[in-house]
Amino acid sequence: DSGVTQTPKHLITATGQRVTLRCSPRSGDLSVYWYQQSLDQGLQFLIQYYNGEERAKGNILERFSAQQFPDLHSELNLSSLELGDSALYFCASSRGGAGSSGNTIYFGEGSWLTVV
Amino acid sequence: TQLLEQSPQFLSIQEGENLTVYCNSSSVFSSLQWYRQEPGEGPVLLVTVVTGGEVKKLKRLTFQFGDARKDSSLHITAAQPGDTGLYLCAGQFTGKLIFGQGTTLQVKP
Repeated sequence: DSGVTQTPKHLITATGQRVTLRCSPRSGDLSVYWYQQSLDQGLQFLIQYYNGEERAKGNILERFSAQQFPDLHSELNLSSLELGDSALYFCASSRGGAGSSGNTIYFGEGSWLTVV
Repeated sequence: TQLLEQSPQFLSIQEGENLTVYCNSSSVFSSLQWYRQEPGEGPVLLVTVVTGGEVKKLKRLTFQFGDARKDSSLHITAAQPGDTGLYLCAGQFTGKLIFGQGTTLQVKP
């Protein structure tokens, strides 16, 4: 158990719909990261927040958005869903930012999203 | 194109064999990390290599960072079925932790 909690674990929804994935970081961790993992693209970095502020952005589509709340939990919102958005979405957390020396990043178990 | 290229992508071997997985890039990294991911779980950090030429050992796993800090390798000695999983290398790039495509290892008893 990494200490990072993600909900829901599985989600099936229709094209065009909107879903919200939730992440609770490890106690004391200020950074939250979101990754998308699919068979053809591997593990792709989406976005990082540090203490409530966006710190780094990766290949995140405009249909996707995220935020980190004052209690440090984070949500990833996916809208106008397409079949190709079906993937495993991981949240990860760390004490400091990604560039911090010796900063270990811990991953949750992921949220399986299936768009039908 | 991937910033970090891993090879091979798939590897199926018998228990007791040795294997090496490679992680290559044209970019210099301040550090590289290796993760292992099992089905239904998130990646788990195995090791971080920081210094060019550095070698780290974790039981039967040996990790090496290239002298120029552009590549890394993971060598497993006498592989066991419990080593089966997805092995990912990752590096910091412009403040982001970027992953390679991964190497799927299957060790048959």
